[in-house]
Amino acid sequence: QSVLTQTPSASGTPGQRVILSCSGGRSNIGWNTVNWYQQVPGAAPKLIIHTTDQRPSGVPDRFSGSKSGTSGSLIISGLQSEDEADYYCAAWDDSLNGVIFGGGTKLTVL
Amino acid sequence: DVHLVESGGALVKPGGSLRLSCAASGFAFTEAWMSWVRQPPGKGLEWVARIKRETHGGTADYGAAVKGRFTISRDDSTNTLYLQLDNVKPEDTAVYYCTTLVALRFPASWGQGTLVTVSS
Repeated sequence: QSVLTQTPSASGTPGQRVILSCSGGRSNIGWNTVNWYQQVPGAAPKLIIHTTDQRPSGVPDRFSGSKSGTSGSLIISGLQSEDEADYYCAAWDDSLNGVIFGGGTKLTVL
Repeated sequence: DVHLVESGGALVKPGGSLRLSCAASGFAFTEAWMSWVRQPPGKGLEWVARIKRETHGGTADYGAAVKGRFTISRDDSTNTLYLQLDNVKPEDTAVYYCTTLVALRFPASWGQGTLVTVSS
């Protein structure tokens, strides 16, 4: 069982705004930043948001991130078919002294 | 561009050992903190280990599931990252990814992965 909790599945239609959530605790998201990864089937994960709200070069600006208390969010504005993938959140945990991942959300574009 | 190529994955018996390698290019490897992350087939991601650059002490941190059994190391002369797996268990079966880090903690660029299967 993951320390960070994500809804196992989500869906949306093209053009829709979708919000994926990641719930943690004080020792991880509460005191540290949230990061998000996208993984399409058969490929390695790709970093799409780091330090809660920063997009690496090349990531479309329809992806954004935020944090409130012990929860983080990934917002996809203007969903596209190529966004269908698994999404994982990650945070540093001060108690475990390491990175923890959420269990992942499988996003389906209808 | 960052390029990471893992190798060394194989079928190994429980209690056995294996060494994974990651050939790095396209960035200043000697200045980079690096990590290994694994993913069991059909499951989620798990952080395995992190190693600091030599000028920051070159020390390592490990996930609870592998601490005491796995060892991360680096050879800056050949731009190669290693993961030594000892006393492996069936639950160590996974694709192992080599990664660079952002903010000294979080996987940034990833290799294509190498599969380790632990089975008798």
